[in-house]
Amino acid sequence: AQSVTQPDIHITVSEGASLELRCNYSYGATPYLFWYVQSPGQGLQLLLKYFSGDTLVQGIKGFEAEFKRSQSSFNLRKPSVHWSDAAEYFCAVGVETGRRALTFGSGTRLQVQP
Amino acid sequence: EPEVTQTPSHQVTQMGQEVILRCVPISNHLYFYWYRQILGQKVEFLVSFYNNEISEKSEIFDDQFSVERPDGSNFTLKIRSTKLEDSAMYFCASSDVGTADTQYFGPGTRLTVL
Repeated sequence: AQSVTQPDIHITVSEGASLELRCNYSYGATPYLFWYVQSPGQGLQLLLKYFSGDTLVQGIKGFEAEFKRSQSSFNLRKPSVHWSDAAEYFCAVGVETGRRALTFGSGTRLQVQP
Repeated sequence: EPEVTQTPSHQVTQMGQEVILRCVPISNHLYFYWYRQILGQKVEFLVSFYNNEISEKSEIFDDQFSVERPDGSNFTLKIRSTKLEDSAMYFCASSDVGTADTQYFGPGTRLTVL
């Protein structure tokens, strides 16, 4: 069965600084990979996804992520963080076997300092 | 932009009572899902539903849970006899028919079992 690890439970960055949130997955074949963001009181909003093709994917709000098969990673990046980016970020993996259940990581809470 | 909606936003119930959580998926989507997130834990898949039947379910989705699409717009999750450990945030999601299609999540219903 597939699994997802987000090693960082909580990250604090200064506004304007760059950001990288880590995500590692375990799955025997090529997975489908997602990053979702959850603001307080809100649902899960899709930031970006990787299905195939170009391993660097662009998402909403200036986020990007790079799929690295050799490292089983799908890290999320943003060059300059805004205070409104403070939220919880979830990495998720889906599989190509026809099963639709997404497996989520435990999340990384991002705090942005002024 | 179409979105998934859920009602109520917060439900408080006594242990042993039945609850029904409601969702209105995105109108042209054909797959529907329920996930839950116990406080401080990962988002976990419960069930997926397609063509008026369950297509996949997790070990969590035991006999006390059921899902239904009572009409052309609503999708419900029923918990027959709630337990304290059912307290969680319950997310509804919907997607189009492709295996890799993005699941769009609602804002969640916070269920508190006393």
